[in-house]
Amino acid sequence: NAGVTQTPKFQVLKTGQSMTLQCAQDMNHEYMSWYRQDPGMGLRLIHYSVGAGITDQGEVPNGYNVSRSTTEDFPLRLLSAAPSQTSVYFCASRPNHWTDLWPQHFGDGTRLSIL
Amino acid sequence: EDKVVQSPLSLVVHEGDTVTLNCSYEVTNFRSLLWYKQEKKAPTFLFMLTSSGIEKKSGRLSSILDKKELFSILNITATQTGDSAVYLCASSGGANSKLTFGKGITLSVRP
Repeated sequence: NAGVTQTPKFQVLKTGQSMTLQCAQDMNHEYMSWYRQDPGMGLRLIHYSVGAGITDQGEVPNGYNVSRSTTEDFPLRLLSAAPSQTSVYFCASRPNHWTDLWPQHFGDGTRLSIL
Repeated sequence: EDKVVQSPLSLVVHEGDTVTLNCSYEVTNFRSLLWYKQEKKAPTFLFMLTSSGIEKKSGRLSSILDKKELFSILNITATQTGDSAVYLCASSGGANSKLTFGKGITLSVRP
């Protein structure tokens, strides 16, 4: 049982490049989400999904795309990387969106630098 | 707009001290209040509180929620250097129980 797995752990991009951050969970969780963490800013929600085929925007969605074709995977795409997207990205999951009996489980994060 | 405010933003204590970390929230359709500890990597879950006035306890850590005054505190007694971390408070609310995080409190425990 791996929990929430994020790849890659580190990535350096040039401005304008695109890339996909991968997130996979093996707990059959319906609810998955992406956060970014910047110094002094806490975690801010980018996008989230309440189940396969359903996604919605969070607090800071601009510049990012998501899709959810399977329960296990929730990739985050940067369409045209900008230096302002330099951050640490965390993926998280929990069993579903309508009960709060369980907290979210976080992956180990992806540290992304945009030059 | 949902908001979570933590205070202080940082503090330094010596081993053996007791610390109190504060979290206030304004969340539409509040459902729960969560505390996480973050060291080098991912946040790790500490407590989830949904009912007012009921203390959750785990070893030297404890937390309580006041739903009337919209705040929570996290207490750590007999602090150790291993308690040095960023402590994140988050509230769950809204249509899909989204989490809103505070900026975190950086705790440094000196030997």
